[in-house]
Amino acid sequence: GQQLNQSPQSMFIQEGEDVSMNCTSSSIFNTWLWYKQDPGEGPVLLIALYKAGELTSNGRLTAQFGITRKDSFLNISASIPSDVGIYFCAGFDNYGQNFVFGPGTRLSVLP
Amino acid sequence: EAQVTQNPRYLITVTGKKLTVTCSQNMNHEYMSWYRQDPGLGLRQIYYSMNVEVTDKGDVPEGYKVSRKEKRNFPLILESPSPNQTSLYFCASSFDGTAYEQYFGPGTRLTVT
Repeated sequence: GQQLNQSPQSMFIQEGEDVSMNCTSSSIFNTWLWYKQDPGEGPVLLIALYKAGELTSNGRLTAQFGITRKDSFLNISASIPSDVGIYFCAGFDNYGQNFVFGPGTRLSVLP
Repeated sequence: EAQVTQNPRYLITVTGKKLTVTCSQNMNHEYMSWYRQDPGLGLRQIYYSMNVEVTDKGDVPEGYKVSRKEKRNFPLILESPSPNQTSLYFCASSFDGTAYEQYFGPGTRLTVT
């Protein structure tokens, strides 16, 4: 089946640093999404990308939909302690109407 | 308050004992979905439903059943649970299959011994 890979698997950064993580796929998706999951909670949508090449920002977060439609990246600028959590990318398959999630990147922010 | 609710939040059961996890949303959403989350694997879609009486398999449907008799409810049924179904389960809903903002429930942690 379709699979998404995320890198890095985990990262430890100092508060105030910028963060970059990416997501790659073996197949094409028409929509890319980035979610954040806090401990003990369900994922919450951060950014949705609908067009190849699209670059979208949401506050300190910026995400891009790769030109090949097989990858996406998420950047977080000036990290703060509440950025801690697991970040998931997800692709939406218009044909099957189902969502495919990556395994997640666990972010830790050190004060 | 717009929300997705799941019950129970925690469940420990034994192999073979049928169980149902309920999911309800109060946003009049058409699309509902069930996921399981396992360490290192992210979220994998079990079943989804585009609308009442319309359900379809996701990536890992084996061992699960669902039904969608009403728009607001989408229960997940394990007819004969096995230990490999021990996992964290999330229900989610969105306005329709093309509206990508899915709202997730708080999760149900299931342990099958």
